[in-house]
Amino acid sequence: NAGVTQTPKFQVLKTGQSMTLQCAQDMNHNSMYWYRQDPGMGLRLIYYSASEGTTDKGEVPNGYNVSRLNKREFSLRLESAAPSQTSVYFCASSEVANLEQYFGPGTRLTVT
Amino acid sequence: GENVEQHPSTLSVQEGDSAVIKCTYSDSASNYFPWYKQELGKGPQLIIDIRSNVGEKKDQRIAVTLNKTAKHFSLHITETQPEDSAVYFCAATGGTSYGKLTFGQGTILTVHP
Repeated sequence: NAGVTQTPKFQVLKTGQSMTLQCAQDMNHNSMYWYRQDPGMGLRLIYYSASEGTTDKGEVPNGYNVSRLNKREFSLRLESAAPSQTSVYFCASSEVANLEQYFGPGTRLTVT
Repeated sequence: GENVEQHPSTLSVQEGDSAVIKCTYSDSASNYFPWYKQELGKGPQLIIDIRSNVGEKKDQRIAVTLNKTAKHFSLHITETQPEDSAVYFCAATGGTSYGKLTFGQGTILTVHP
């Protein structure tokens, strides 16, 4: 099992460009999450999907959209990137909400 | 919403010593408290977790204690080894934030050989 996979690993964008971060899990988990990690601030939840077909905002959703494409895949889209979105983005999944979450390796995004 | 404070932000110990990291949370309805270890360039990895119906849980050299009344929980690592060096995060969820983990700010643990 690959667990949680994320693509790309690194990305550089110019202000105003758009992109989609991809996440997939092969553990048959129901719940999936997107976090961002900034120095000194821990991880902050952007969006989560408790089950296929549902999504909900987390702590810092502004500037992002998500799509739960199917049970395996959960994508994060930046429509118009801003320098404040420079961060490391992690996807995670859990069997159901409130159980242990498994994290992917992360995507390091720089917006210039 | 939930708020989690974690201390200390950095911790330096000698190999073989014990290390303790403490977290406090604000939402008395929170009922799940995981601890994650993050090595450089990798995603966080769950090392131990505790639910609000128990006060302590141990797994070899790692233990977590929970004080619901005071709303704090701690990670204890005994007989530390250089490979324990990493960033450790506490988190909390449950109650009104069911399923949404709120993380502490992280502790950089360095174990000197």
